[in-house]
Amino acid sequence: QQPVQSPQAVILREGEDAVINCSSSKALYSVHWYRQKHGEAPVFLMILLKGGEQKGHEKISASFNEKKQQSSLYLTASQLSYSGTYFCGTAKSSGDKLTFGTGTRLAVRP
Amino acid sequence: GAVVSQHPSWVICKSGTSVKIECRSLDFQATTMFWYRQFPKQSLMLMATSNEGSKATYEQGVEKDKFLINHASLTLSTLTVTSAHPEDSSFYICSAIDWGGRANTEAFFGQGTRLTVV
Repeated sequence: QQPVQSPQAVILREGEDAVINCSSSKALYSVHWYRQKHGEAPVFLMILLKGGEQKGHEKISASFNEKKQQSSLYLTASQLSYSGTYFCGTAKSSGDKLTFGTGTRLAVRP
Repeated sequence: GAVVSQHPSWVICKSGTSVKIECRSLDFQATTMFWYRQFPKQSLMLMATSNEGSKATYEQGVEKDKFLINHASLTLSTLTVTSAHPEDSSFYICSAIDWGGRANTEAFFGQGTRLTVV
């Protein structure tokens, strides 16, 4: 089953924050986050492994709650370049195929 | 980071013809590659797992006789859409994992191929 992401879409003003959630019905080994611009391939953002870790990359960070089978992506002080569709990809084991979530469309306005 | 090259980036073909899409790992060996299909405003749906030297593993509902996958070498996997129809028009993306001896790493994606069947 496909992981469910929420919200489905969000519109931000430049500088605002956003949280994107990814929820799976299955036990997970890892969660991968990607951003895709229209007509382009997904671009990797980060991986989180089971163990409840949290990662950060400048103004984009994420957390993974293994017990709840949920991950959240945090975007702070959003920039225009953050616009796109965000997908979480989940894997049940190391090297397993990725099952992508339903996607969240993010638009950042000036 | 690792590079995965996909070709062509777009193709228009007539209904009933076949189209081949190539996916190459340029600077690493990929024993496993994945083929995804993405319809407009939808998520990436895994079609099949391509295994070097063996048969591909197809996801439920994907016709293996229609979507032929060949993974003849450690750096090349091909997807052939046979007898294409307009409903096959979609964005096809491949990905590969560069293990490099690590336990877990990201999947690298090709640029994608926009297939339009007319």
